[in-house]
Order: sequence, then C-alpha cells, then structure tokens
Amino acid sequence: GAGVSQTPSNKVTEKGKYVELRCDPISGHTALYWYRQSLGQGPEFLIYFQGTGAADDSGLPNDRFFAVRPEGSVSTLKIQRTERGDSAVYLCASSPRGESNYGYTFGSGTRLTVV
Amino acid sequence: QKEVEQNSGPLSVPEGAIASLNCTYSDRGSQSFFWYRQYSGKSPELIMFIYSNGDKEDGRFTAQLNKASQYVSLLIRDSQPSDSATYLCALHRGNQFYFGTGTSLTVIP
Repeated sequence: GAGVSQTPSNKVTEKGKYVELRCDPISGHTALYWYRQSLGQGPEFLIYFQGTGAADDSGLPNDRFFAVRPEGSVSTLKIQRTERGDSAVYLCASSPRGESNYGYTFGSGTRLTVV
Repeated sequence: QKEVEQNSGPLSVPEGAIASLNCTYSDRGSQSFFWYRQYSGKSPELIMFIYSNGDKEDGRFTAQLNKASQYVSLLIRDSQPSDSATYLCALHRGNQFYFGTGTSLTVIP
C-alpha cells in the first residue's frame, strides 16, 4: 500500500482481556517497528523486526506483550491480560532495510483504551 | 536521566514570527537527530534530520546542532497557524528512536 496501515484505529477493551493490534507496512519494507505513545509523552520503542524475526524486543514492557511477523510483512502486536496502564496509542512504522537512520513514516496508530 | 529533554511549553508566537524549539540530550556519543511534528490526534511526521554540527535549512525550517553543548534546536521562520502542533525531538541510536516529550507550539493569527 501507499503507507503504513494500522487496524483497528480505536480499540476499547475491558481490563484483563486479550487484544491484537495489526500493522501492514509499506510494500517491500523489510524493517518494521512498534512504538507506544502515552498521553503527553513521546513515542517509546517496543520492538523491531527485520524480516520475520524480532531483531530487538528490548522495549517490550513485560511478558504480557508479544509481537509476531510470520511472513515478513504484516505484524500483530498481542497484549494479554490488559491493564489500564496499557492505554495508549500504539504506533507502527516501517523502513527499507538499513535505512531507519533517515527517519521513517509512522502509521496512523491504534488508540487502545482499557476500561 | 532521560535521553532527550524538551521544554513542554506551551510556546506561543504571533503569525510571521520565528518559533524556536529546543532540545538537549544526555549521550555525548549520539550522532543523528530528528524533528517530528505531531498534530493533535495524529501520528508524528518527520520534518527533518541533522547529523553534523551547524545549521541545516529546509524551506522555513532550520535545524541546529551543537554536539559540544549536546543541544539541538528547530527554528521555524514566518510561522503560520498551520504550524501549530507538538514538535518532538528524537535521536537515533541502534535500531530505535528516543523521543522527547514534545513542545506544544501555538501560532496566533
């Protein structure tokens, strides 16, 4: 597609539930990134994929968070046993391999609200 | 200590004035710096990046980097109401960007 696509745009879930957030990167981009932006804060790094593998997952806050990219294209961020503190905008970005140092384009994000 | 520090503002300037946004960073070894603009309810969009000491100009925007002082700034000349947004400073290291909390700018017509 023309840009990074994220679905859903909004998700409201109850505390303790499981959610999945989807990211469809720019066609041909091998690198994919997930960030989380809480209200009044800048985006914070969660995880980086190069192809199908998670090259850097150091930003995942705990083991309730997991992400996959089985075919090297679409990625899914999975959050188990959601907590109110997980409420944030989850941003995805992609870049051609080795070119993230020139900046990258974010998708429009998924706003997650845990009630 | 946070990697990137920004004054959260808000900063207000009249239309046509120069807006000056500032950012400091803690890691003296950092090499590349970015400015993103974020409109309310939207995702960040890249404005420009700078790697070398000095100034880099792109249209109405000028990024300034002083590695000795660990200081990055963004100047917006001839500010327009459409420039009203939050401006995020970020540095790139390894596989990720480290963002500041952003400075809110309002340009008053």
